[in-house]
Amino acid sequence: NAGVMQNPRHLVRRRGQEARLRCSPMKGHSHVYWYRQLPEEGLKFMVYLQKENIIDESGMPKERFSAEFPKEGPSILRIQQVVRGDSAAYFCASSLGTGGSYNEQFFGPGTRLTVL
Amino acid sequence: AQTVTQSQPEMSVQEAETVTLSCTYDTSENNYYLFWYKQPPSRQMILVIRQEAYKQQNATENRFSVNFQKAAKSFSLKISDSQLGDTAMYFCAFMKYGGSQGNLIFGKGTKLSVKP
Repeated sequence: NAGVMQNPRHLVRRRGQEARLRCSPMKGHSHVYWYRQLPEEGLKFMVYLQKENIIDESGMPKERFSAEFPKEGPSILRIQQVVRGDSAAYFCASSLGTGGSYNEQFFGPGTRLTVL
Repeated sequence: AQTVTQSQPEMSVQEAETVTLSCTYDTSENNYYLFWYKQPPSRQMILVIRQEAYKQQNATENRFSVNFQKAAKSFSLKISDSQLGDTAMYFCAFMKYGGSQGNLIFGKGTKLSVKP
């Protein structure tokens, strides 16, 4: 059973370009979470999605960032007009649900975004 | 708002010895979950152990155990018989119970080095 898949693993963009980060959850998981990790910091929650719905985006910057989890295909985190401060590792996690033992989040390997 | 504090940025331990990592948190919730995640140099986030706040018994997983003190809002991780493969960043994390809140709140981490 494949784990959480993220691609690309490394992404380099110039200031002003767009970055698209993809996440395929574990088989059977319909809950997806995105986190950002700045150097020497812990992970910070960005957004929580279920299929076709954004449940909680309280950690998402108001501008330039968006996320989706379509009925078919991976979840996408999109960053428009990237700036140097967006350079970070972006992790995706998935879970079966949010209650009891179903809330265990399994993490992908992360995408390291570098903005030149 | 919930916060998680790890007061030890770095720690080291000799192989086969025991080490304890500290974590405190602040919340007004009565029901919640607490987790310890390990992040080795590969940057993959790996769940080490979890604790439900309503359970008085401390969780254990092989060489890993926790000391959960709900009144003091303390959740320390003890690693027994330390192995070289335990070298990693360790993050303490909090999750509210139920509702639509599925996101993890992480501390800044403790860098653990196991020395031969």
